[in-house]
Amino acid sequence: KNEVEQSPQNLTAQEGEFITINCSYSVGISALHWLQQHPGGGIVSLFMLSSGKKKHGRLIATINIQEKHSSLHITASHPRDSAVYICAGGGSNYKLTFGKGTLLTVNP
Amino acid sequence: KAGVTQTPRYLIKTRGQQVTLSCSPISGHRSVSWYQQTPGQGLQFLFEYFSETQRNKGNFPGRFSGRQFSNSRSEMNVSTLELGDSALYLCASSQTVGAEAFFGQGTRLTVV
Repeated sequence: KNEVEQSPQNLTAQEGEFITINCSYSVGISALHWLQQHPGGGIVSLFMLSSGKKKHGRLIATINIQEKHSSLHITASHPRDSAVYICAGGGSNYKLTFGKGTLLTVNP
Repeated sequence: KAGVTQTPRYLIKTRGQQVTLSCSPISGHRSVSWYQQTPGQGLQFLFEYFSETQRNKGNFPGRFSGRQFSNSRSEMNVSTLELGDSALYLCASSQTVGAEAFFGQGTRLTVV
């Protein structure tokens, strides 16, 4: 059974801080997705990773396949980054299994 | 390029009724997946369609069904609605199975 564990559940930061959200996953997951969900429901796909590191603007995602661990970093955080961040693992059947999400609040 | 479009955005139904939700994928995308999001269970996979065939199915009762048309548009149907079916239903499309998924805004279903 594919499983995804995400931490922390809640994170509060001051504007400008460097933020890290972690995700551990089980054997059988071959690709890791990072998603962002703002109040109101819409989900935005941030990254899909199966190895290495990806960067988009102030967002960086890394994955360590041996340790089955991925991190999402936000540099120079801003109040508009406040959202729920969700990691999701895809296995050989590509069914996504989701973490419970991290509620990030960035205060000005 | 238009994103994933889900209709309707909001829906209120009565217990026992049935409901059909629609998802239009990004042009050129042939894979459509459906997810249910509730406060208690989080996001859960419902099913995935590719080229009009259901490729994967999550652990949901048979009241939940779906289909995909030749133009890749997909519908999901929930029959005999229960209060616990109240949720945000999201669909996502990708070019092919396992590729990066792009999500729609969701349909918020309330069962009363």
